[in-house]
Amino acid sequence: EVQLVQSGAEMRKPGESLKISCKGSGYSFASSWIGWVRQMPGKGLEWMGIIYPGDSDAKYSPSFQGQVTFSVDKSISTAYLQWSSLKASDTAMYYCARLGRGSGLHRGFDYWGQGTLVTVSS
Amino acid sequence: DIVMTQSPDSLAVSLGERATINCKSSQSVLYSSNNKNYLAWYQQKPGQPPKLLIYWASARESGVPDRFSGSESGTDFTLTISNLQAEDVAVYHCQQYYTTPYTFGQGTKLEIK
Repeated sequence: EVQLVQSGAEMRKPGESLKISCKGSGYSFASSWIGWVRQMPGKGLEWMGIIYPGDSDAKYSPSFQGQVTFSVDKSISTAYLQWSSLKASDTAMYYCARLGRGSGLHRGFDYWGQGTLVTVSS
Repeated sequence: DIVMTQSPDSLAVSLGERATINCKSSQSVLYSSNNKNYLAWYQQKPGQPPKLLIYWASARESGVPDRFSGSESGTDFTLTISNLQAEDVAVYHCQQYYTTPYTFGQGTKLEIK
């Protein structure tokens, strides 16, 4: 069974750093893109970017480029999303999701993590 | 960036009736090499992550009831929910995954009338 399990809720102060994780299981982790999606309280979904665990190739949304960093550790099938200096406006739910394939073609995010709630407040 | 615009923002439909949600892309999301629109629909219930319902604009994900269907006409896409059930109350999102950034629509909230 394919699963993406994310790390637990985090509370930080503005200016602090943070790294959250997303552990995949039940499939070949290195062979599927992993995406990150932000959902601010009461708002819609925002695509942050994707990373390919096989070679760590990453594509960022212009809205998030330079604000966050994606990374992976293939040896433990885990993807990471990190901030070096959080802002109050980073308060949101963050989801990881797998970019699925069908007949060799991409078909959207077919499996999602449960989400990690990040709260940034002084 | 490709802009995805959903309509309406919210709608209320009676149980057993049909719900129709629209999504328009600002440019084509059709891959000419395979003639597939790279457009997905997701359902998000309160407190849950999104769930993939439809991909390639009209292909139903495994396990999704056949009450859910997707259609396309150029850059206009439609999610139709027939015979609305109480468990269909959710926010529905469209997303293009044709080119990065893989943008989402703003979401449509579906309620029971």
